[in-house]
Amino acid sequence: DIQMTQSPSSLSASIGDRVTITCQASQDILTSLNWHQHKPGKAPRLLIYGASNLETGVPSRFSGSGSGTDFTFTISSLQPEDVATYYCQQSDNLPPTFGGGTKVEIK
Amino acid sequence: QVQLQESGPGLVKPSETLSLTCTVSGDSIRSFYWSWIRQPPGRTLEWIGYSSFSGTSNYNPSLASRVAISLDTSKNQFTLRLTSLTSADTAVYYCARGKASPVSWGQGTLVTVSS
Repeated sequence: DIQMTQSPSSLSASIGDRVTITCQASQDILTSLNWHQHKPGKAPRLLIYGASNLETGVPSRFSGSGSGTDFTFTISSLQPEDVATYYCQQSDNLPPTFGGGTKVEIK
Repeated sequence: QVQLQESGPGLVKPSETLSLTCTVSGDSIRSFYWSWIRQPPGRTLEWIGYSSFSGTSNYNPSLASRVAISLDTSKNQFTLRLTSLTSADTAVYYCARGKASPVSWGQGTLVTVSS
C-alpha cells in the first residue's frame, strides 16, 4: 500500500492567516491526490481532486498543488468555518490510502 | 445533490457479522461506484472497498476475506457485510459515492464490537 505522510498533525492559526498543510506519498502518484475536509458530526467533504482542482462550490481560498510525491494544501485566509480536520488521500493505486489528518483550530 | 445515510446496529458481538446499509437519494445506484470507508478510534481513514451495478467490485486486501458489498436497486441502497468481527473492527463507518476518490460521503455511523 502507498503510505501518505501528512504534516503537521495539528495547527492553530488566527483568522485571516495563511495555512499550509503538506502531504508526502511513499511513491510517485502523479497528480492522483485528493483533499477532504471533515467537521465533527458531519459528512466529510471533498475539497480538491487531482491535486489542484477545486470541487464545485468550494470557496476559492482553498487550493492545492504538487505532483509526484510532494503535495501542498493551502487556505489563503483562514475563516472560523474552516475549523476541521483535513485529510489527503491518494487515488493512484488500490487500495486508496489516507494521510493521518491535520486538525486546524483558531488561535 | 446526492445524499447518503448509513444505518445499522451500533453494537455487535465478537465473531458476529456486521451488516450496514447506505440509503442513497438524489442519484441512482445503477450509476457510479459505491464505497465503504471506516475510521477506528484514534486512527486515520481506511478504505474498505467499492462495488457497482455492473458487478465490478474491489476490496482492501486486508479485509477481502471477510467483506462483501452488494447493491439493492429496488431500494436504491447498498450494503456492507463484514464477518468474523473483532474489537479491531470498532470504528465509524462511512458510505460514499466514488471508486478510488470519494466524491460524496455519508455522516457515518459508529459500530462498537464488544461482548
